[in-house]
Order: sequence, then structure tokens, then C-alpha cells
Amino acid sequence: GAVVSQHPSRVICKSGTSVKIECRSLDFQATTMFWYRQFPKQSLMLMATSNEGSKATYEQGVEKDKFLINHASLTLSTLTVTSAHPEDSSFYICSARGYSRWTDKETQYFGPGTRLLVL
Amino acid sequence: LAKTTQPISMDSYEGQEVNITCSHNNIATNDYITWYQQFPSQGPRFIIQGYKTKVTNEVASLFIPADRKSSTLSLPRVSLSDTAVYYCLVVPGNTPLVFGKGTRLSVIA
Repeated sequence: GAVVSQHPSRVICKSGTSVKIECRSLDFQATTMFWYRQFPKQSLMLMATSNEGSKATYEQGVEKDKFLINHASLTLSTLTVTSAHPEDSSFYICSARGYSRWTDKETQYFGPGTRLLVL
Repeated sequence: LAKTTQPISMDSYEGQEVNITCSHNNIATNDYITWYQQFPSQGPRFIIQGYKTKVTNEVASLFIPADRKSSTLSLPRVSLSDTAVYYCLVVPGNTPLVFGKGTRLSVIA
């Protein structure tokens, strides 16, 4: 299947600092990218949806000024957690959707995730 | 979005075939059925996707009856490395995937 990469895989930061996470679709063009968050023992929660060149659509309860999303191209999206606090510590997973030559239809693939720990 | 219901957990011995059934009574005409596998501290991995009847790939088979109100993911001869959470999702192609709790499969030696 398609490959989606994330960088960094884990990051530790001090409270009040900002952290940027990159997401790239390596072998297909993603018409839409998504950001999810997952807390321990819980399922993935959708945070936002973004299309290339347009503003992201945030799910209810997700602060758009705190979680800045930039979708600069069909292969790159970034999530910046601004003024991070300990409660933002979580596992952040990006996802990319586009035409997949493996399934011959639009399919959503996921990155490996980024573990964020805010001290 | 069609709501899905699947068992919270399942146990199996190594070498056995595992079948995980998912109910989706209000599936729409345009919906596809997709299964993902997730290991701890990793993103979900696409396993298989289908619309009707049977789909098979190198990893699993997906059985979908004619009414499409349920589907069964079949994992042949599981090994310890198949221990993971398996998610069944039903969604039209142009909406984001919204995850339920999934089925936690534990494979025992």
C-alpha cells in the first residue's frame, strides 16, 4: 500500500513551547490529509481535515489557534501544536487520502504517528 | 455515517483462523467496508477494502453478504504478531474515517 511518513517520531518539549510535526505522502498524491489524536487505550479521534491550498476544517472541540495545520502541497501537511501544555501530550497520527493504485479507488493511509510529551 | 458494531476483544491460539464480524445495519449504497490493523504506538495499517461478496489479498479475506449489513474479516493461520486492534469502518469515499473502539485480538502461543 501507499507510504505516509511522519517526522519526528517522538518529541519531548517544555510547557509553553511550540512543536511542528510533518506528514508526507511518499508515493501517491494526497487530495486530502487528516490529523488524528490518540490517547492511551482509546481509539483515534479526528482533529481536522485539510485540502491542499485551503484552510483546514476542524472538528468540534479542537482549537484551531492551538493546532495550526498547513497543507502546502499534495504531499506535505504540517501540524503545529502552539504553546503546548502537558494535557496536549498524546499520540498524533496523520493520514492521507488519494487515488490508490493498490485498491484502484480513493483510500486513506496512515502515518506511523508522533508521540508528543510535554513536560 | 454508518455505525459499526464489532466485538471488543477476541482471543485465539496461534495457527488458527480468526473471523471478526462487524455489523453495519445502516450501510448506504455508496459505502465501502474497510478494515485497518493497529499495533501499539503505530498508525493504523490498511488491511482490506470491499463493497460486496468476497475480497482476498495476501493478508486477509473479507466476506460481505448480499444485504451488506455485516462483514467478516478472516485472518488465516494467525501468529503472535497478529495481536493488534482491528477496526471496521464503513464510509463513502469522500469523507474522513471516524474510528470506533475496534476489536482487540490477542493471539496466544
